[in-house]
Amino acid sequence: QSALTQPASVSGSPGQSITISCTGTSSDVGGYNYVSWYQQHPGKAPKLMIYDVSNRPSGVSNRFSGSKSGNTASLTISGLQAEDEADYYCSSYTSSSSEVFGTGTKVTVL
Amino acid sequence: QITLKESGPTLVKPTQTLTLTCTFSGFSLSTSGVGVGWIRQPPGKALEWLALIYWDDDKRYSPSLKSRLTITKDTSKNQVVLTMTNMDPVDTATYYCAHTIPRRGAFDIWGQGTMVTVSS
Repeated sequence: QSALTQPASVSGSPGQSITISCTGTSSDVGGYNYVSWYQQHPGKAPKLMIYDVSNRPSGVSNRFSGSKSGNTASLTISGLQAEDEADYYCSSYTSSSSEVFGTGTKVTVL
Repeated sequence: QITLKESGPTLVKPTQTLTLTCTFSGFSLSTSGVGVGWIRQPPGKALEWLALIYWDDDKRYSPSLKSRLTITKDTSKNQVVLTMTNMDPVDTATYYCAHTIPRRGAFDIWGQGTMVTVSS
């Protein structure tokens, strides 16, 4: 299956809110409430930020929130901070009983 | 505390078979709901989901790579093994193993990753 589509880059100033989109199809994002979001800093392993569309694992800041509408999921980072600068990937369960990642979005804090 | 660590060759030749081992601690793969998966990331590129095995030996594979992948578990050794046949230079990547949230496909704990280069 094809990777989920994310914008290549999103930027914002400290304190602002940004939203990253993740577009799939009815066979993945649109068909299941199993969308996850990962943060990856350079040279590091990814870190789970959101699962099941909008659930935050213990220890993840409540500045991170997730939502979904139709075939598009979104990750919103509010009160943007310097340490939020990283790559972000969405993933979704698929009708093939597997998962698929997104193309990735580089977040820049201006 | 859950930890995972990947091990295997750093260099393989084209057409060879790659065997990677994920050795974990802090949980048991015989516990209901638990899963361990493999993900890779070519240099400078996006993550790619490869395979996942659950506590009940349910195995899931990427449809595009299914013919080349095999995932197995050894519960007594706390290990999960991934084999990938017919390696090609495009398979050069960092390979990660990761623990899933119980009964979910989301990966909550990741290993550090191991870099594999395919070259003659």
